[in-house]
Amino acid sequence: SAVISQKPSRDICQRGTSLTIQCQVDSQVTMMFWYRQQPGQSLTLIATANQGSEATYESGFVIDKFPISRPNLTFSTLTVSNMSPEDSSIYLCSVESSQRREMNTEAFFGQGTRLTVV
Amino acid sequence: QKEVEQNSGPLSVPEGAIASLNCTYSDRGSQSFFWYRQYSGKSPELIMFIYSNGDKEDGRFTAQLNKASQYVSLLIRDSQPSDSATYLCAVVSNKLIFGAGTRLAVHP
Repeated sequence: SAVISQKPSRDICQRGTSLTIQCQVDSQVTMMFWYRQQPGQSLTLIATANQGSEATYESGFVIDKFPISRPNLTFSTLTVSNMSPEDSSIYLCSVESSQRREMNTEAFFGQGTRLTVV
Repeated sequence: QKEVEQNSGPLSVPEGAIASLNCTYSDRGSQSFFWYRQYSGKSPELIMFIYSNGDKEDGRFTAQLNKASQYVSLLIRDSQPSDSATYLCAVVSNKLIFGAGTRLAVHP
């Protein structure tokens, strides 16, 4: 299993500002994942943070809006830039138990960051 | 069509009853299927995974998979109020894709 510390747990931000969310894992992992969970909706993958290379973004998400850092194998940050009320959501970082995504690969999640943009 | 579909609920069952949660997926090439439980304000946690057709039992939980019908379900026997949560179905194609979840309410 993996223990993931994510902070802040919640924040209320003014529109137009940016918030950086931090994620610390208790073991070294090649890939870290950032998800968004809007009320009543699925967890949606924003991007995969790879150590030593640029993050891989999913359709609908761009680096200018969600820049990601991955300075080492245990840490990553996600920034939500130039926020609007539509960015109000829960943001979750995640790692998987197997780096090869085998059949029984389990995803572990941080505690989540509940963001409200006013 | 959504890639992973679940009825949002709420599904309300009395304590001690069987709760049946259903999920359909669109990618016929999907290989692995997961059920996560998410309590309000908490992160998802894995309950079960299944990748072969048929049933897989773990305590009070049974996962059922039918790849021909692209259908996976979770049965919770002897439901308890502590089982009240949102249950997320997740499917691995080339990435992990989550359904929106079904909210389960078990009332005493």
